[in-house]
This record gives sequence, structure tokens and C-alpha cells, in this order.
Amino acid sequence: GAVVSQHPSRVICKSGTSVKIECRSLDFQATTMFWYRQFPKKSLMLMATSNEGSKATYEQGVEKDKFLINHASLTLSTLTVTSAHPEDSSFYICSAPARGRAYEQYFGPGTRLTVT
Amino acid sequence: GQNIDQPTEMTATEGAIVQINCTYQTSGFNGLFWYQQHAGEAPTFLSYNVLDGLEEKGRFSSFLSRSKGYSYLLLKELQMKDSASYLCAVRDGGNDYKLSFGAGTTVTVRA
Repeated sequence: GAVVSQHPSRVICKSGTSVKIECRSLDFQATTMFWYRQFPKKSLMLMATSNEGSKATYEQGVEKDKFLINHASLTLSTLTVTSAHPEDSSFYICSAPARGRAYEQYFGPGTRLTVT
Repeated sequence: GQNIDQPTEMTATEGAIVQINCTYQTSGFNGLFWYQQHAGEAPTFLSYNVLDGLEEKGRFSSFLSRSKGYSYLLLKELQMKDSASYLCAVRDGGNDYKLSFGAGTTVTVRA
């Protein structure tokens, strides 16, 4: 079964509004989680590393004030897209390192964001 | 920076074999992964190579040559359900979990 969940799976919002996406590790603790975005027929682009108890680490070119990340607990990280624009429409995926297997990551099912 | 290259598309016949190549030039190396991704879904783990050689897992095998910066994923006895995008990803030498992905290879299996 799924070990990382995301909510919502799909969301449509209007330009200028903010959208929050949740990523949960279901039966394990994750001090680190990763947020990716993926455009159609393109690969995953790492946006940021979410760290429990400290600030997120953003990749070059990713606006930290636009994509707010909060690692609220050992099982929950949230990504808030603020003042969304149509170009923010994308597939957002989170991942967390697998327990006991440092080389593997579990991916969430993804969130399809459409900004109108 | 990271540079990971793989072909954009491949087509093969049901029951056949397909080999997806991946070359990489990265600032560090701590393992290479292959993931399968169906449209609109999250990637699922297929294989992991950190040492040179071939890793076999059922119908899927993955090969790594660190000196050449090269890997391939071999899919045998292709089935229609194998039609998907296959992503090559490299873990850099720093952060234990951070991955850089190639653009993915879309494999279409035809009857």
C-alpha cells in the first residue's frame, strides 16, 4: 500500500489565490521530504528539501516566498503556492526516504494543480 | 551541475526486449536509480545501482558503468502494461537522498 500520501489529488484555483498541498508519511517518520514539480511530458524538477524543525532548502531559481514549505511534524510537510498564476499549473509530487533503505525514496501520488 | 541524458521515446513490440540508455555527468555520484511512471501517477522504484555491473530483477535488469557515466535499463518480455515513462535518476555525493532526474524515456509497447 501507499506509504506517502498527498492531499488534494487535484485542485483548481483562481489566479491570485493560495493553495496548500499536504504530504504525509503514513506509518513512518520522515525528517526530510522532497518537493518536485513536473510539467507535461517532462521530468521531475526538484524544488526544495523540506526539513523537520528547520527551514526548507530551495533549489536555484525556485522562489521561496512563492512556494512556502512547512515541515510541521515528523509525518507532515506542506507546500503552499501563494498568489498562484496560470504558469504555476503543474503536477506536484513529494517524496520521503524509505525506512531502513537509505537509497530509496517513496513518492506520493501527486497533486494536479490547475490555475485558471 | 547535473546533466542526465536519455532518449525521448522508444517503441517496441509485445514480447520483445528494449534497452533504455542513460548517460550522466554529475558533480558527485552515490547511486543511480530507475523509476517507472505512468501518466498522471507518481514514479515507482524499479532498480538501484551503486557498483559497476548488472542487477537483475525479474523481467527488468539495470547496468552501471561508473567510469563511463553510463547505465541502461533492460526490459524483457515486454507487456502492454510496460508502456510508461522510464526515469533515470542520480543521487549526488552530498545529500544522501537528493535525486536529479533525466527527462524520461516514453516507451510504447505495441501488440
